Amino acid sequence: NAGVTQTPKFRVLKTGQSMTLLCAQDMNHEYMYWYRQDPGMGLRLIHYSVGEGTTAKGEVPDGYNVSRLKKQNFLLGLESAAPSQTSVYFCASSRTSGRHEQYFGPGTRLTVT
Amino acid sequence: SQQGEEDPQALSIQEGENATMNCSYKTSINNLQWYRQNSGRGLVHLILIRSNEREKHSGRLRVTLDTSKKSSSLLITASRAADTASYFCATDETSGSRLTFGEGTQLTVNP
Repeated sequence: NAGVTQTPKFRVLKTGQSMTLLCAQDMNHEYMYWYRQDPGMGLRLIHYSVGEGTTAKGEVPDGYNVSRLKKQNFLLGLESAAPSQTSVYFCASSRTSGRHEQYFGPGTRLTVT
Repeated sequence: SQQGEEDPQALSIQEGENATMNCSYKTSINNLQWYRQNSGRGLVHLILIRSNEREKHSGRLRVTLDTSKKSSSLLITASRAADTASYFCATDETSGSRLTFGEGTQLTVNP
């Protein structure tokens, strides 16, 4: 079991460029989440999904889009990157909602210059 | 705004000592969870305590929950240098469908 994997691990973008972060889980979990973590802060939820084909906005969704075409994958897109999106991005999954623990990926460190 | 607030923000102790971290929250919850994050890594789930439980143990970890005061504490006994990490509480609010994380306590255990 690989658990939750994220690609890429690191990325540097110029302002205005676009990119997609990929998250994959092999635990057959229904729920998947994208968070961002900024220095000295906790996790802030960007978007989440309660099942294949569904997405929902979290606390800080602006500037991001997501898709969950397959149950095991959750993609996070940045259409036009801004320096304020410099952060570490974590994907997580859980069997169901907050009733169960979340399993996290190793993170993607994104720098936007 | 964050649901959970950890206290203290940073804690430095010697190996062998106990470490206590506190979490306060604002709304009714179904459960409260504690996670650990080593530097540069993803979060790892430590323990989950339900709203009808008052205390839970897992190895050297002891978690308490006081729903009347809307607070929880995480005690790590006989700390080790390997316990150095950030610790986050996360609440599963009765009104929501996802966890809300606090800002974390940075624990440093000196050998």
